Amino acid sequence: GQQLNQSPQSMFIQEGEDVSMNCTSSSIFNTWLWYKQDPGEGPVLLIALYKAGELTSNGRLTAQFGITRKDSFLNISASIPSDVGIYFCAGWKETSGSRLTFGEGTQLTVNP
Amino acid sequence: DAGVTQSPTHLIKTRGQQVTLRCSPKSGHDTVSWYQQALGQGPQFIFQYYEEEERQRGNFPDRFSGHQFPNYSSELNVNALLLGDSALYLCASSLSHPGGGYTFGSGTRLTVV
Repeated sequence: GQQLNQSPQSMFIQEGEDVSMNCTSSSIFNTWLWYKQDPGEGPVLLIALYKAGELTSNGRLTAQFGITRKDSFLNISASIPSDVGIYFCAGWKETSGSRLTFGEGTQLTVNP
Repeated sequence: DAGVTQSPTHLIKTRGQQVTLRCSPKSGHDTVSWYQQALGQGPQFIFQYYEEEERQRGNFPDRFSGHQFPNYSSELNVNALLLGDSALYLCASSLSHPGGGYTFGSGTRLTVV
C-alpha cells in the first residue's frame, strides 16, 4: 500500500541537540499527524495538524503542515534520552475515507 | 481512564492455523480500526468497524475478517495463516468522524512458524 516518504530513516545524536525530520508525499493530505512508538508499544499521538501552513508546538516538539499540503516537518529541541524511539508521520485525506497512511518511521537514538 | 486494550499481547501460531485478536476501545470511542505493522515498517490499514459493520477496508485478502460488538469492542480474525502474516497487529479507536487522531493500543505480536 501507499506509504509516505519519511526521512531520515535513523538519527544518532547527542543529548541536548536539536532534531529535524520530515515527511513528503506525491498527493495532498488534509491532516498530518506525528506519532512516537516505543518498543513493545503502540504509536502515541504527539501533534495533529489540520491546516496548510499550521505550526503547532507540544513542549519541545514543533510540527508544521507544509503549505503545499504534501509535506510535514517535526522538530525536537534540546533532545533528552527519553526522546529515544521511532517517530512516524501519518496523513489523512478525505478521499481515503477513514484510513491513515503512515511513513516508514525515523529511529531516533540519543546518546547521553 | 482506560485506553485501548488489546489481547493477547503475544501469540505464536503454526502456518495454516486461524487466529482471533481482541480489542476494547477507549471509553467514549465508537469506531475501531485495525492496522498491521511489519518489522521496521509503518502500520498498514486493514479495516475499520463502525456501528458493527465494516466501513472501509485496505488491501488485505479475505483471510482477514473482523467483527464489532454492541459494546464497540472488536475482533480481528485471520484464517489460513502464512509466515508473512507475522507482525504487530494494532487496534486504534476513535470517534466516528474520520480524520481525527486515533488512540492506539499496545498491539498483539503475532508470530507464525
